[in-house]
Amino acid sequence: DQQVKQNSPSLSVQEGRISILNCDYTNSMFDYFLWYKKYPAEGPTFLISISSIKDKNEDGRFTVFLNKSAKHLSLHIVPSQPGDSAVYFCAAKSNFGNEKLTFGTGTRLTIIP
Amino acid sequence: DSGVTQTPKHLITATGQRVTLRCSPRSGDLSVYWYQQSLDQGLQFLIQYYNGEERAKGNILERFSAQQFPDLHSELNLSSLELGDSALYFCASSVGTRDNSEQYFGPGTRLTVT
Repeated sequence: DQQVKQNSPSLSVQEGRISILNCDYTNSMFDYFLWYKKYPAEGPTFLISISSIKDKNEDGRFTVFLNKSAKHLSLHIVPSQPGDSAVYFCAAKSNFGNEKLTFGTGTRLTIIP
Repeated sequence: DSGVTQTPKHLITATGQRVTLRCSPRSGDLSVYWYQQSLDQGLQFLIQYYNGEERAKGNILERFSAQQFPDLHSELNLSSLELGDSALYFCASSVGTRDNSEQYFGPGTRLTVT
């Protein structure tokens, strides 16, 4: 049972444009969400997070939006840069349990120069 | 550099064998987590240790075990290896208190079982 889903395995975006990565979840107990970025041969790197008490969190070029009623979150990157090319994982956790993260299967983002 | 180190980087072994993967958390982090990433899959949580004690268990096979030592480094032991155990194994660490502290990941160990 995939509780966190990233339905787009890949996405290509022109440099300078906005990249939008989507993530859906099914477990209503999730109350904290994170995005990780992963380059080949490296571990995932934390990017940005959002608590369920918020609907938006911004950090520089990265903004995460949370729609609790739709159980959907998205990561916006603007403007997109070539160094943003990587695999992006959405992750979620519930503070009513342990601190384990439940990950989606990832979206490979390619920024076209 | 996340500050989390994992050794070895690569491991090739045969079916039926046993291996040990090692992880050193970031300085000051008390929690260590192990995740498995199989081909084209997301990361699957295996187990968490906090300050030497097992805190949570995920989809960890009985052939796998882990421990966290007094110096807070952790080892993941995989025995009676099968072809399907070939995967990337990541270790992560966090401060570990029950708050929304981020997990920082090591570079992973790529295990190939032949």
